[in-house]
Amino acid sequence: GDSVTQMEGPVTLSEEAFLTINCTYTATGYPSLFWYVQYPGEGLQLLLKATKADDKGSNKGFEATYRKETTSFHLEKGSVQVSDSAVYFCALLNTGGFKTIFGAGTRLFVKA
Amino acid sequence: GAVVSQHPSRVICKSGTSVKIECRSLDFQATTMFWYRQFPKQSLMLMATSNEGSKATYEQGVEKDKFLINHASLTLSTLTVTSAHPEDSSFYICSAKSLGERSYNEQFFGPGTRLTVL
Repeated sequence: GDSVTQMEGPVTLSEEAFLTINCTYTATGYPSLFWYVQYPGEGLQLLLKATKADDKGSNKGFEATYRKETTSFHLEKGSVQVSDSAVYFCALLNTGGFKTIFGAGTRLFVKA
Repeated sequence: GAVVSQHPSRVICKSGTSVKIECRSLDFQATTMFWYRQFPKQSLMLMATSNEGSKATYEQGVEKDKFLINHASLTLSTLTVTSAHPEDSSFYICSAKSLGERSYNEQFFGPGTRLTVL
């Protein structure tokens, strides 16, 4: 079945460091890919998305490129801030399906 | 646009009581709503999918008599946790898919409801 695998956390970085959170997926067809962010005590917010191969999603300095050849959708940010501390979920929604499949989540701590 | 609200945001109840959680799409019509459960420091687990006017589809292992879902309109779905017990304590999150084309293939999430059963 469809699945999403993302790197285990927690990830601890200093402010202004470069961030990469790896995400790979297994799916039939042509899924849409998403990154969601969850701040403490809150629900999920869509961070960015890509709906087809080679699309790059970007928002708030975060980027991820849909790589069909490597079935990956890694999240990157060039310079993290303390306010980026949160849990990040990679997810896919397959074509024709209604279910969003989530990865396990990666907790990010950014130190001042 | 595309805002989903949940009410209440937090609820504390005694063991054996029932709790109702509402999920509303505020500025769009939702053909389908989803209910998730999230344990501390874990990912979201899909509990059920509900379509307006029809019975919910429950995921394997989720007790339909325990978690009653009603999707009476295109903007409202409710989850009732019946005879709640401490092990039902969790963070419950709903999401909704838009009827319109502008949000094709995207779900919008509510802020979540934290349930604590004493």
